Amino acid sequence: DVKVTQSSRYLVKRTGEKVFLECVQDMDHENMFWYRQDPGLGLRLIYFSYDVKMKEKGDIPEGYSVSREKKERFSLILESASTNQTSMYLCATVTRNTGELFFGEGSRLTVL
Amino acid sequence: QKEVEQNSGPLSVPEGAIASLNCTYSDRGSQSFFWYRQYSGKSPELIMSIYSNGDKEDGRFTAQLNKASQYVSLLIRDSQPSDSATYLCAVTGGSSNTGKLIFGQGTTLQVKP
Repeated sequence: DVKVTQSSRYLVKRTGEKVFLECVQDMDHENMFWYRQDPGLGLRLIYFSYDVKMKEKGDIPEGYSVSREKKERFSLILESASTNQTSMYLCATVTRNTGELFFGEGSRLTVL
Repeated sequence: QKEVEQNSGPLSVPEGAIASLNCTYSDRGSQSFFWYRQYSGKSPELIMSIYSNGDKEDGRFTAQLNKASQYVSLLIRDSQPSDSATYLCAVTGGSSNTGKLIFGQGTTLQVKP
């Protein structure tokens, strides 16, 4: 079974703080993703990475950056958190042959 | 703009009935289609994938794909209260399996005992 682990399930941060969300997968998959999910807006792709040190912007990259120093780990960084970044953040990895996306448990971030 | 459309619901069915969830998509180049189930406060869980026209059955779930009509559906037979969740339809943005999926907004299903 694919296992995608997100380091923090619930976080509360203050406006302006730097926030790190970490994700680890155990399947040696090349492609990893960060989505955010908001009521009424659905799942939106922030960034994805197709290899170590390689990244590509998704649909809503503004205010975010990412880091992929090792194949199994993909981090999402909020340089200066704002209240409109309060959301559920979902990391995912994909099985190449099938295109099936597997999600971690999610990190619910609240920015005060 | 590539889109995936779902009726947001809620779709309410009695226990034991068949629940029918529908999805349409705009990109004719899409080749892979997925259904995810998401319980409140949890992350999406893959329940079905389908790649060719026709039906695909897995237990109580049947996915149906009609590429000519750009239509995907999910049937849940013998619906149970534990099936109450939001069901997300997702399609590939184009023909590749990179994992870049376009998601619908989801249909909320309520199964009443």
